[in-house]
Amino acid sequence: QVLLVESGGGVVQPERSLRLSCEASGFTFNNHAIHWVRQAPGKGLEWVAVISFDGSNKHYADSVTGRFTISRDNSKNTLYLQMNSLRPEDTAVYYCARDQGASGYCSGGSCYGYYGMDVWGQGTTVTVSS
Amino acid sequence: DIVLTQSPDTLSLSPGEGATLSCRASQSVSSSYVAWYQQKPGQAPRLLIYTGSRRASGIPDRFSGSGSGTAFTLTISRLEPEDFAVYYCQEYGTSQFTFGPGTKVDIK
Repeated sequence: QVLLVESGGGVVQPERSLRLSCEASGFTFNNHAIHWVRQAPGKGLEWVAVISFDGSNKHYADSVTGRFTISRDNSKNTLYLQMNSLRPEDTAVYYCARDQGASGYCSGGSCYGYYGMDVWGQGTTVTVSS
Repeated sequence: DIVLTQSPDTLSLSPGEGATLSCRASQSVSSSYVAWYQQKPGQAPRLLIYTGSRRASGIPDRFSGSGSGTAFTLTISRLEPEDFAVYYCQEYGTSQFTFGPGTKVDIK
């Protein structure tokens, strides 16, 4: 069974840090790019970050650039999102999602080799509040 | 950055009826980089359509995607009870992977 399972969410004060994890099973993890997508309470979907199959390409939403870092450990079939300098507006359910492609990349603002997110985790909730 | 606008905000229909959902982009997007997702309350999104018109694995053929340039459409030919949900379009041809705000399809 193809699965993504997020963990690491919780309640954190503004300006503090949190690291999310996403453990994959049931498929060849290092054959796919993986995204983080978040959803604030009662709101729509917001893309956060993506990392290529081997970790060599990473891209971030403007709203998190400089504060969040995406990484992966293919030996552990695990994706991470290190979130620093958290803000109340970062409060959301965070999903990891598998891209159908492996070696997507972006250059000059345009991206190639991505094919949509076909497997999603159940999400982990992050609440930033004092 | 590309902005995606979806219309209508809410579509109230009965089972068996057809649904047409619109997604418009603020600038031209290659149809090769447009996806549609379905999300039900309390659940993660599900990929329906990618590269503008290809159905994802396991998606029934009542779902179809079309469009080019700045105008894209998701069509549901005959609504089944399980189709009442929120639908999002997404472009993944730029480094912001923008989602539209969603269209809610609810039961009339």
